[in-house]
Amino acid sequence: DGGITQSPKYLFRKEGQNVTLSCEQNLNHDAMYWYRQDPGQGLRLIYYSQIVNDFQKGDIAEGYSVSREKKESFPLTVTSAQKNPTAFYLCASSIDGKTGNTIYFGEGSWLTVV
Amino acid sequence: AQSVTQPDIHITVSEGASLELRCNYSYGATPYLFWYVQSPGQGLQLLLKYFSGDTLVQGIKGFEAEFKRSQSSFNLRKPSVHWSDAAEYFCAVGVPFSGNTPLVFGKGTRLSVIA
Repeated sequence: DGGITQSPKYLFRKEGQNVTLSCEQNLNHDAMYWYRQDPGQGLRLIYYSQIVNDFQKGDIAEGYSVSREKKESFPLTVTSAQKNPTAFYLCASSIDGKTGNTIYFGEGSWLTVV
Repeated sequence: AQSVTQPDIHITVSEGASLELRCNYSYGATPYLFWYVQSPGQGLQLLLKYFSGDTLVQGIKGFEAEFKRSQSSFNLRKPSVHWSDAAEYFCAVGVPFSGNTPLVFGKGTRLSVIA
């Protein structure tokens, strides 16, 4: 089936460690996104990429890093510089990043930092 | 910059009752408007979207939304709610002809359905 796969679903890490969340899509979409979701905060954009080897910061990029070496993959690294990393992280994609196109979401990854 | 407000954080309705979820946007012209639904611990799914034309938009799962320019609103409605509609609902706004500006999402409205 076509879709977006995020892994792992649940991840626990100690404070001070970097952690990488995986996002893979087989929809042949050019654009990919990472959102963070906290209770009562809605979705906040971390990074997005409209094409391979290119990405832009979103509203809350500090403490995060991404790469886009392949069209189907857009991993997110939560670094130790991120002050409150515990959250639900959503990866998404759209066919070409144009504003009117539908954004498709993965099932999300829960990150807990203790 | 565009913004979107969902005034209701949490709404409870009885099964079979009608539903209206509010969404107000801030933008100088007519934006692109979307409603997404999220089941607990899951990703988001598109319910419907509005670009132009008929101001009443039909979506999946029996939902509809009406664009009202004079009120800068795009409220989501359903005539008869089912228990499976319990979820969180997000309104989103996009700027037409902006190139590739990502959507801006509201903070969401959580819907509870009681018997």
